[in-house]
Parts: sequence; structure tokens; C-alpha cells
Amino acid sequence: EIVLTQSPGTLSLSPGERAALSCGASQTVINSYLAWYQQKPGQAPRLLIYGASSRATGIPDRFSGSGSGTDFTLTISRLEPEDFAVYYCQHYRNSSLTFGGGTTVEIK
Amino acid sequence: EVQLVESGGGLVQPGGSLRLSCAASGFTFGTSWMHWFRQAPGKGLVWVSRINSDGSNTNYADSVKGRFTISRDNAKNTLYLQMNSLRAEDTAVYYCARGRSYYSESWGQGTLVTVS
Repeated sequence: EIVLTQSPGTLSLSPGERAALSCGASQTVINSYLAWYQQKPGQAPRLLIYGASSRATGIPDRFSGSGSGTDFTLTISRLEPEDFAVYYCQHYRNSSLTFGGGTTVEIK
Repeated sequence: EVQLVESGGGLVQPGGSLRLSCAASGFTFGTSWMHWFRQAPGKGLVWVSRINSDGSNTNYADSVKGRFTISRDNAKNTLYLQMNSLRAEDTAVYYCARGRSYYSESWGQGTLVTVS
């Protein structure tokens, strides 16, 4: 089973700053099967990125995904007030989906 | 507009059963993979189960295998999750979601299951 480790656990930043969230896999991951989600308190998750770097429909271009192998990054180029939330990476392998533990992006 | 509305959650005693439903609209339900996820209070996301478009292929997380059954009725645009032998650790908000086999692009608002 692949374990996804997200870091940091919490990122304290100000609006307008750049955020880089890391997702590390315990084994090599197929890029096509790496996704990122955003979740705000009391809300359902929202798909941001699939295939490691493809933005989902309606996602602003300040969100970008990159990486390969075992290291993946979600970058938010300039934080807007609505971007403060929890972010999860997710992988698929062997008919099973697994999530990382999440990174909280909070207002500094 | 894609809409997924879960129902059927509630309070159940350990060892009991519940059946969750997810009413889908705004897309071609019969051609979509569907998933169930859950999130315990204050915890992260966990995948529970998935089913392919015609219901012929299903998969489960190890933690629910043998206790939960996913199914769908394409004529009614509805997804189900039959949950038996419930345990305290099954307490969570359960989300249905639509997407590909390997990620989900639309999620419902969830239904709370409390096992106590």
C-alpha cells in the first residue's frame, strides 16, 4: 500500500503570498493517478487537480500541480481569502484510493 | 448542474445496519463511476467504495470489506451503500461522489452516520 505524506501539516501565510504544499509517496506513483482536493470547514471536498497537473473545470489558474515519481507539489501562486482551507492529495492504485493526511493553509 | 444528495444517515447502535442513498441529477448517471467516501469528525478523508457505470465492478476499502455493499439503480439515478455490522469507528460523514475510477470530480454534501 502506498502511503501519502503531506507537509507541512499547517502553513501560515498572508493573502497574496505563494503557497507550496508537498505530497510525498512511499513508492513511485503513476502521475495520471494523483489528484488534489480542497476542503473548507463544513463543506464537501472540491477537486482541484487531477493527473498531477491538470486543473479541474472551473479551477482558477493560480492553482497548479507538479511533480513525478514520489514527490508532488500543489502551488497556489497568490493566496486569495477564499483559498484558506485544508488540502488533500489522493492516489489510486490496485483498485483502491488513498489520501494524504492533509495540509491546512491558515491566515497568518 | 451536477447534484448529489445523500440521505439515510442517523444514529445506530453497534452491530446495527443502515442504508445510505445518493440521488444524482445533472449528468448522465448511468455512464459514471461512483464512489463513497467518509470523514470521521475532525479527521481526514477516507475512500470507502466504488462502483463502475453498470454495477458489474465494485471495490472496497479493507476496513469495510465484508460489511458494506455498494450498489446502484441506473433507472432511478441512485447510488446506495448498505452498511452492516456497524462499529463505533464507522462514525463519520459519508459522501457520495461522481467521477472517474481513480478520482472524484463532484461530491455531495454528506450524511452523518453515528454509531453509538
